[in-house]
Amino acid sequence: QITLKESGPTLVKPTQTLTLTCTFSGFSLFTTDVGVGWIRQPPGKALEWLALISWDDDKRYSPSLSSRLTITKGTSKNQVVLTMANMHPVDSATYFCAHTTRGAYGDFVDDFWGQGTLVTVSS
Amino acid sequence: SYELTQPPSVSVSPGQTASITCSGDNLVDKYVCWYQQKPGQSPVLVIHQDSKRPSGIPERFSGSSSGNTATLTISGTQAMDEADYYCQTWDRRTEIFGGGTKLTVL
Repeated sequence: QITLKESGPTLVKPTQTLTLTCTFSGFSLFTTDVGVGWIRQPPGKALEWLALISWDDDKRYSPSLSSRLTITKGTSKNQVVLTMANMHPVDSATYFCAHTTRGAYGDFVDDFWGQGTLVTVSS
Repeated sequence: SYELTQPPSVSVSPGQTASITCSGDNLVDKYVCWYQQKPGQSPVLVIHQDSKRPSGIPERFSGSSSGNTATLTISGTQAMDEADYYCQTWDRRTEIFGGGTKLTVL
């Protein structure tokens, strides 16, 4: 059974760096064709993809946020860490991590999602 | 940058067929996924690779793609299908989500 859970601060101040951890079970990030992605959703708004790290340590970032994002495998084998620098109030959102599987056609599918964690940016 | 366009809302009567569209340039050349999100819950994958249903997704959910438009069809719509639906694809190493469609069953 694949499960994922996001953790991190619920409140950050403007200009601070946000660090979120995705802790997962039921799969290995060292298995071919497996990845972990991050997606966020401001209250009442649409999903927005942020980043993905795959089993071979390939990293992909949203072009509009790439200068602020870093995704890494955690020191623990069942964790992925996302950092977002220079947080603004507009970055307030629920942040989800997801297990992703690469299909035969090369794209990744977000097939299992965590429950999400709400982050508010305010002074 | 690549964009996916969805209607903000779709309404359907119980038992009828709901169709939710997703438009993008040459979308037929890409694979599309569909996600269902109920209030306060995480998204759930209901269709991948245009038309494939993951295990556990009811047969009333189906997908298709032609030209610039992908379509999620829900046959015999039930009250439990009321949710937001998002289409998704990949373009040049970037994952793209549509703006979402709120499906109302009334």
